Amino acid sequence: EPEVTQTPSHQVTQMGQEVILRCVPISNHLYFYWYRQILGQKVEFLVSFYNNEISEKSEIFDDQFSVERPDGSNFTLKIRSTKLEDSAMYFCASSGDREYQPQHFGDGTRLSIL
Amino acid sequence: QKEVEQNSGPLSVPEGAIASLNCTYSDRVSQSFFWYRQYSGKSPELIMSIYSNGDKEDGRFTAQLNKASQYVSLLIRDSQPSDSATYLCAVSGFQKLVFGTGTRLLVSP
Repeated sequence: EPEVTQTPSHQVTQMGQEVILRCVPISNHLYFYWYRQILGQKVEFLVSFYNNEISEKSEIFDDQFSVERPDGSNFTLKIRSTKLEDSAMYFCASSGDREYQPQHFGDGTRLSIL
Repeated sequence: QKEVEQNSGPLSVPEGAIASLNCTYSDRVSQSFFWYRQYSGKSPELIMSIYSNGDKEDGRFTAQLNKASQYVSLLIRDSQPSDSATYLCAVSGFQKLVFGTGTRLLVSP
């Protein structure tokens, strides 16, 4: 069964550094998403991406964050000047060719900011 | 602010029993409703999706939707210890999913 792939599984970074989290969505999916989950808290939406542009973003997704689809398979989340409170699980998800279709999640990247 | 509310639990049921999980949502224009299962330290795994009022069954799982009451539920029949996890209700109006905090289910052998 096709799946969303995320790398790395765990990223440890010094505060103030930049990190790039990588995702390979399911191949025939057109909608891509990033979510995060701080330990013990709910899953929170960050951004959705369709047709090579951001279609929706949350208040969390400020100028510190950016997303990119650099080629036909990868989808990346860049976090600049990381802060301690950016420590969380970051999940990539993708869904099919229409709105409202189920989103399938990758295994996540655990980001630890020291 | 769109909200999805769930009882955090834990909900404890014996093996073989029916587990009933509930969820309410605040945004009346929500179009899509999903149940995800999340094991500790893992990612959300899609269990069920439901889009119209009524019941939808898939194996041991039944999702129920009542848009007038803004209420979604998940029934798990013949609960197994492997069903022990946190069940997340998620609601979508356009693209983003709004998640509840999840209900922790414990199924005892």
